[in-house]
Amino acid sequence: EAGVAQSPRYKIIEKRQSVAFWCNPISGHATLYWYQQILGQGPKLLIQFQNNGVVDDSQLPKDRFSAERLKGVDSTLKIQPAKLEDSAVYLCASSLTQGTSSYEQYFGPGTRLTVT
Amino acid sequence: AQKITQTQPGMFVQEKEAVTLDCTYDTSDQSYGLFWYKQPSSGEMIFLIYQGSYDEQNATEGRYSLNFQKARKSANLVISASQLGDSAMYFCAMREGGRWRGAQKLVFGQGTRLTINP
Repeated sequence: EAGVAQSPRYKIIEKRQSVAFWCNPISGHATLYWYQQILGQGPKLLIQFQNNGVVDDSQLPKDRFSAERLKGVDSTLKIQPAKLEDSAVYLCASSLTQGTSSYEQYFGPGTRLTVT
Repeated sequence: AQKITQTQPGMFVQEKEAVTLDCTYDTSDQSYGLFWYKQPSSGEMIFLIYQGSYDEQNATEGRYSLNFQKARKSANLVISASQLGDSAMYFCAMREGGRWRGAQKLVFGQGTRLTINP
């Protein structure tokens, strides 16, 4: 079974530029998550989708971050304009909504963003 | 208020020894789940073990076991017979109960960096 795919793996941009990340979840997983992991910290949820609807975006800085999952499968996360403090690893995860008691989240390899 | 607390920023253990990584949590929900993830230097998050709040037995998965003490709100990870490949960051996370179990976010602790020495 293919895992969660993310691209690009690394990105370096200057502040005030824009950047987009792509995620393709595991086939059949209806729930998709974007996390931000700043160096030395645990991941923090930015946004959560159930199919193509947003379940939780309470910690998404909406003045500069946006995300979409138009067809309920893959998703893009965009930052515009980027700030120095956005330097982090952006992790995408997916999970089933039923069938397992743990609702384990499967993570992709992440995109390491450096803003200079 | 911090929901997941991992008090050990770093741990150093000799190969083949057992190691316990501490995790305490805070919740007022009766239904919740606790997870441990491993993050090697390559960056991916690898699921290790899960404990549900209503599970009567402590969870085990191979060399991993979870020492769940509900009254103390602790969920420590025990790794038996440690190996060099166990060197990584380890994160404790909690999923709280709610109206829609299948769409609940995880809240992570700060992590513990485990180093296994040969």
